[in-house]
Amino acid sequence: QSVLTQPPSVSGAPGQRVTISCTGSSSNIGAGYDVHWYKQLPGTAPKLLIYLTTSRPSGVPDRFSGSKSGTSASLAITGLQAGDEADYYCQSYDSSLSVYVFGTGTKVTVL
Amino acid sequence: QVQLQESGPGLVKPSETLSLTCTVSGGSISGYYWSWVRQPPGKGTEWIGNVYYDGSTNYNPSLNARVTISVDTSKNQFSLKLSSVNAADTAVYYCASGQREGLRWFDPWGQGTLVTVSS
Repeated sequence: QSVLTQPPSVSGAPGQRVTISCTGSSSNIGAGYDVHWYKQLPGTAPKLLIYLTTSRPSGVPDRFSGSKSGTSASLAITGLQAGDEADYYCQSYDSSLSVYVFGTGTKVTVL
Repeated sequence: QVQLQESGPGLVKPSETLSLTCTVSGGSISGYYWSWVRQPPGKGTEWIGNVYYDGSTNYNPSLNARVTISVDTSKNQFSLKLSSVNAADTAVYYCASGQREGLRWFDPWGQGTLVTVSS
């Protein structure tokens, strides 16, 4: 159940800043549950990019940052690089459905 | 560092049971939550369920009637069984780790295994 909505695609030139939104509801993001973000390259498993809404695992550059407001969250990528081309997913928990939920996914293209 | 590896048949017939095993290496399965997640081709990502090392489980209500997840601490493995499969169950299946204090995010993930449901 994709109850977290993301834009299908975003694009930017190298060096630019792009943001990916993740829109939820009062039973997931709006209820205070943390948001986590993953990067997925074609044919590979998702890899954790941001956890607990704003924290970065070791090895993830500070060009990636997360934020949350109300029922939505955002992932920002600054200094866009060719290697950032991938699909990005948000994830949270939904108390109404009692499931861990993922976003619909956003494909980032570097122009 | 902990690594996960899925194993099991890549082809399952309709109405039969899908069975996958996830082997955890580089760390102990004890003390953590472990999950199964799937991605049907061209569709959204779906959490299937999770198991704690003590054997307690939580399942996605939409799959609850068909899913069983179990753990074998002696082998450092956990397993997924999905019964009465149909074409809609065709997906890449991933195993993933949660945290000690609960399941909040998934990290790391196994490489994934494609399971096709077809006669």
